Amino acid sequence: QKEVEQNSGPLSVPEGAIASLNCTYSDRGSQSFFWYRQYSGKSPELIMSIYSNGDKEDGRFTAQLNKASQYVSLLIRDSQPSDSATYLCAVNPPSYKLIFGAGTRLAVHP
Amino acid sequence: NAGVTQTPKFQVLKTGQSMTLQCAQDMNHNSMYWYRQDPGMGLRLIYYSASEGTTDKGEVPNGYNVSRLNKREFSLRLESAAPSQTSVYFCASSENKGATYEQYFGPGTRLTVT
Repeated sequence: QKEVEQNSGPLSVPEGAIASLNCTYSDRGSQSFFWYRQYSGKSPELIMSIYSNGDKEDGRFTAQLNKASQYVSLLIRDSQPSDSATYLCAVNPPSYKLIFGAGTRLAVHP
Repeated sequence: NAGVTQTPKFQVLKTGQSMTLQCAQDMNHNSMYWYRQDPGMGLRLIYYSASEGTTDKGEVPNGYNVSRLNKREFSLRLESAAPSQTSVYFCASSENKGATYEQYFGPGTRLTVT
């Protein structure tokens, strides 16, 4: 079993819709959770961090964490073509490292 | 404030050649990391340095060596390049204080080994 799992996609949504990206992790001791956005040919860019159960909102982005179910999600409201990218979920087990999922490719079409 | 910088941006090597990838951060972060990213494989950790003076192996360390030169700089060396090391290499840094483990990435180095 992979430590951090994401659906590879592509997830295709129309402009203005809500995009929902999901991630599950295997280490129950994980404390911190992150979402990175990576445009083609560019480096990963941190867009959301979440540390406790529940929702965390930042502009059009909402991160959701459920530690009991070992599940993290990212919602993007009012999706724009500029949101088209690969979204990487990263989990911090009790160590100095992050464990990354392979990413979900999001395509927002006009 | 440049964040994390990497040199070179692109490099082509012949099999058996050696080279060093340079990384520097100006955020006074404690920890630094080297990853490689291959299509469909996600980010894989090669080596990391939790703090100045320490280095540890990650998931895929074979064929690589690292040096934490000081708090700012962390270099990755390929002693005898192989075609399997063709990849995009990213350096990252993190403060790693308290519960803050966010990592910030450099722009990457695209390496081709022929």
